[in-house]
Amino acid sequence: AAGVIQSPRHLIKEKRETATLKCYPIPRHDTVYWYQQGPGQDPQFLISFYEKMQSDKGSIPDRFSAQQFSDYHSELNMSSLELGDSALYFCASSINRGQWTGELFFGEGSRLTVL
Amino acid sequence: EDQVTQSPEALRLQEGESSSLNCSYTVSGLRGLFWYRQDPGKGPEFLFTLYSAGEEKEKERLKATLTKKESFLHITAPKPEDSATYLCAVQGGNNQGGKLIFGQGTELSVKP
Repeated sequence: AAGVIQSPRHLIKEKRETATLKCYPIPRHDTVYWYQQGPGQDPQFLISFYEKMQSDKGSIPDRFSAQQFSDYHSELNMSSLELGDSALYFCASSINRGQWTGELFFGEGSRLTVL
Repeated sequence: EDQVTQSPEALRLQEGESSSLNCSYTVSGLRGLFWYRQDPGKGPEFLFTLYSAGEEKEKERLKATLTKKESFLHITAPKPEDSATYLCAVQGGNNQGGKLIFGQGTELSVKP
């Protein structure tokens, strides 16, 4: 079965550089979520999109932006990277219309290291 | 503000030693409470959704229960392969596509 696909899996950047993470949700899923998970931390919600429109916003820095495209894939853009941005970034997708179960399907994550 | 607190932070069990994990929550209009399992370096894997107080769900050696203030994940006769971090999360309100708020997790280690 198709899963959530994230790329790249690993990314190393210098401070003040820019990074872009991509997420391809499971086909026919209408909602995409982005989470940031630091070492030993719980996943922190960044932003979500329902049917390509931003549906909720969490603790996402102003330096970060995200969007969902017509083919439902999503990109998280991070600029002016700081050391504290080093983390695992997870994308998840779900179905929110019709029979809602609340099940989020998570990707394998993109590990960002800022040096 | 929606909040989730899990306890204990870490739990070490012998194989076959049953125990429970706790998740206390405060949320405006609970839409659902979720349990996820996370292995190191992997994305969380969905286990259960509970919608209302009194509800119970079971899956193999795991059983999740829900009250108005907390949820328990009971592990019966655990095996080493049950070792993982167990995350509790809540979603409130009526916002489709709304955020899930996660707890810090309980790191479970089951020794043979």
